[in-house]
Amino acid sequence: TQLLKQSPQFLSIQEGENLTVYCNSSSVFSSLQWYRQEPGEGPVLLVTVVTGGEVKKLKRLTFQFGDARKDSSLHITAAQPGDTGLYLCAGFNTNAGKSTFGDGTTLTVKP
Amino acid sequence: GAGVSQSPSNKVTEKGKDVELRCDPISGHTALYWYRQSLGQGLEFLIYFQGNSAPDKSGLPSDRFSAERTGGSVSTLTIQRTQQEDSAVYLCASTKGANSPLHFGNGTRLTVT
Repeated sequence: TQLLKQSPQFLSIQEGENLTVYCNSSSVFSSLQWYRQEPGEGPVLLVTVVTGGEVKKLKRLTFQFGDARKDSSLHITAAQPGDTGLYLCAGFNTNAGKSTFGDGTTLTVKP
Repeated sequence: GAGVSQSPSNKVTEKGKDVELRCDPISGHTALYWYRQSLGQGLEFLIYFQGNSAPDKSGLPSDRFSAERTGGSVSTLTIQRTQQEDSAVYLCASTKGANSPLHFGNGTRLTVT
């Protein structure tokens, strides 16, 4: 059973466009993280959200945690080629006792 | 460096041979995960160690896969009688606690010929 579903799975856009990636679940998470992975490297943490309704901004990236702590979104404004990568969400579920990852969104930003 | 270290970075082996992959977590991190990742895909959970608790082995795909964590630090993932479908990148991550962000190594790329 996939606890976290990400959409879209693939996204290819032109430099300067905006985009949103979604991470949805029927389970409640006590915290949720977003990671970005580039080829040949491990995922790197972008942000952690813990409070329902929380919004965090990291330069052109805006992260939101749903009020019920079951879903999250990542919005990128004016995407750049350097944003290209695999974006992964991960939630810690108390019942599972460990972090669970979504399937990832592969983003390609064309110059 | 203070990050998670994995070795080897690349491993090519013949079908049927055993392989051992190593992970050196960040010092003081109590939890450690192993994941498998096929090209362009997400992370497939394999096994989770948390402190002195019994490991969560629910993600191991077959009994050819095993892992241990000695002294609460270094971990090794062993794959016996490797098959071509075992070819993937194997990622290790450690964390301060169960509900803390994960710190990943750069993985071991395993190719079974």
